[in-house]
This record gives sequence, structure tokens and C-alpha cells, in this order.
Amino acid sequence: EAGVAQSPRYKIIEKRQSVAFWCNPISGHATLYWYQQILGQGPKLLIQFQNNGVVDDSQLPKDRFSAERLKGVDSTLKIQPAKLEDSAVYLCASSSTGVRTGELFFGEGSRLTVL
Amino acid sequence: AQRVTQPEKLLSVFKGAPVELKCNYSYSGSPELFWYVQYSRQRLQLLLRHISRESIKGFTADLNKGETSFHLKKPFAQEEDSAMYYCAPPRLGSNYKLTFGKGTLLTVNP
Repeated sequence: EAGVAQSPRYKIIEKRQSVAFWCNPISGHATLYWYQQILGQGPKLLIQFQNNGVVDDSQLPKDRFSAERLKGVDSTLKIQPAKLEDSAVYLCASSSTGVRTGELFFGEGSRLTVL
Repeated sequence: AQRVTQPEKLLSVFKGAPVELKCNYSYSGSPELFWYVQYSRQRLQLLLRHISRESIKGFTADLNKGETSFHLKKPFAQEEDSAMYYCAPPRLGSNYKLTFGKGTLLTVNP
């Protein structure tokens, strides 16, 4: 079974530039999550999708962050404009629905450095 | 507020020694709790969930409602256990999603 795929693995940009991250979840997983992990901290949930609908985006800084999952499969997370404090690893995870196992399957992450 | 606390950022033990990674929660009722682990250069992955009462790689975790704790334990640590460990309770509601503690970095010395 293929795991969660993310790209790019690394990205370096200057502040005020924009960046986009892509995620392909495990086939058949209806729930998709984006987490932000700042160095030395645990992952923080940014947004959760159920199929192509947003379930929770309460911690997403909507003035600069946006995410979409148009066809209920792949997802993109965009930051525009980036700030220094956005430097972090952006993790995508997916899980199947209807099973309260709570197991999330994570991608390898996209490491963003904002200079 | 619903949250989980991992009081130790770093924990260092010698190989063969017992290890306990602490996790305290501030939920009411009977939360379902999980431990996730991230080995060096690997993805974050599920280690175990309390509801299944399983032992994975020699680790166990018991939910103590009286102390509101879900400590992760292993009687004899191995060097390959060195990793970052996260306690993860769900945010309550119909939509299942996990919030993570800040993590404890376990180092097992030879």
C-alpha cells in the first residue's frame, strides 16, 4: 500500500513570497489533515478535510494560508505571503472514515525555510 | 480547555533500564488516547492506542482516570527506542482529529 505522498520535501523562500505544498493521501482515505510542526514543538492541526469539505480550519491563519481539496483526493496548502515564523515542517496525514481508530498516516513532510 | 501535557522534553536512560514517558490530560470522561512515535529520519507513526490494550515493541500505556494520566512504559529500554514520542488525545466531537503534546525526546544510551 502506497503511503501519503508530499512534495516538495524542501523549500526555501524569502519572506513575502508564496509557496504551495501538495499532498496525495492513501487511496480511499476520505479524511485529510494538514499539520504545522515548528522546531521543538508537536504537530499543530491547521485544517481537516472530509472528502472535499472543510471540517475544521479554526487554527488556520486565513489571512495568509489557504488549502483546498477540490476532488476529494489530492490537497494543496498555500502560504501567501510567507512570514519568517512560517518556517516549519508541514505534515499531511490521512485516515479512513467510519473507524474510530484514530490512526493517522503521515507523509514525510515538507520543510519550509523562510529567509 | 482540553489538552495534554508531556512534562519532559528530554529523557535519557541507559540500555536495559526501565523507561516511563509521562502524559497527563485534562479531559473529562473516558478519552481515547494514543502514542505516536517518530524515529530519526522516519515518518510520524502510531505506536499504540489505549483502547486496544496492546503492547507494541514492549511498550504499554495504561489510562489512569484518577490521575488523568496515560504514561508510556517499557521495562527494558533498547537503543532503537531512541525517538521522539508524542501523546495524542482526540479533540472531542463527531469529527475525529488528533491534537498532539509537545513531545518527549527519548535517548537510550548504550
